[in-house]
Amino acid sequence: GAGVSQTPSNKVTEKGKYVELRCDPISGHTALYWYRQSLGQGPEFLIYFQGTGAADDSGLPNDRFFAVRPEGSVSTLKIQRTERGDSAVYLCASSLGGGGAYNEQFFGPGTRLTVL
Amino acid sequence: QKEVEQNSGPLSVPEGAIASLNCTYSDRGSQSFFWYRQYSGKSPELIMFIYSNGDKEDGRFTAQLNKASQYVSLLIRDSQPSDSATYLCAVTGNQFYFGTGTSLTVIP
Repeated sequence: GAGVSQTPSNKVTEKGKYVELRCDPISGHTALYWYRQSLGQGPEFLIYFQGTGAADDSGLPNDRFFAVRPEGSVSTLKIQRTERGDSAVYLCASSLGGGGAYNEQFFGPGTRLTVL
Repeated sequence: QKEVEQNSGPLSVPEGAIASLNCTYSDRGSQSFFWYRQYSGKSPELIMFIYSNGDKEDGRFTAQLNKASQYVSLLIRDSQPSDSATYLCAVTGNQFYFGTGTSLTVIP
């Protein structure tokens, strides 16, 4: 596609539920990143994929968060047993090459997650 | 200490003036530096990137990098009301860090 797309654009769920957020990167981009952004804050790094593998998942806050990219394109961020503190905008970005350095990241529109 | 620090602002400048945005970072191993603009309710969009010490100019924007002092700045010349947004500094190397952003308002 022309840009990074994310679905859904908004997700409202109840505390304790499971959610999946989807990211479709720019075609040909091998690197994919997930960030979380709370109001008034900058994006907080969660995980970075190079191809199908998670090259760096050090930003995932706990084991309720998991992400996959089985075919090296679309990625899904999965959150189990959601908590109110998980409410944020979840941003996905992709870049052409591998690694964070020297590769500009292009962001999707984000998924706004609200946990009631 | 945060990995990337920015003055949160708000910074207000009159239309036509120069806006100066600053960012400091803690990891001396950082290799690349980016400035993103984020309008309210929208996702960040890349404005400029810089990898080497010195200045890099692109239209009305100039990025400045000083690795010895660990700071990177963005100058916006001839500021326009459409430049009003939050500007995010991003620093990458082995990790990926964004600052909290500086809110800029350009007053007509």
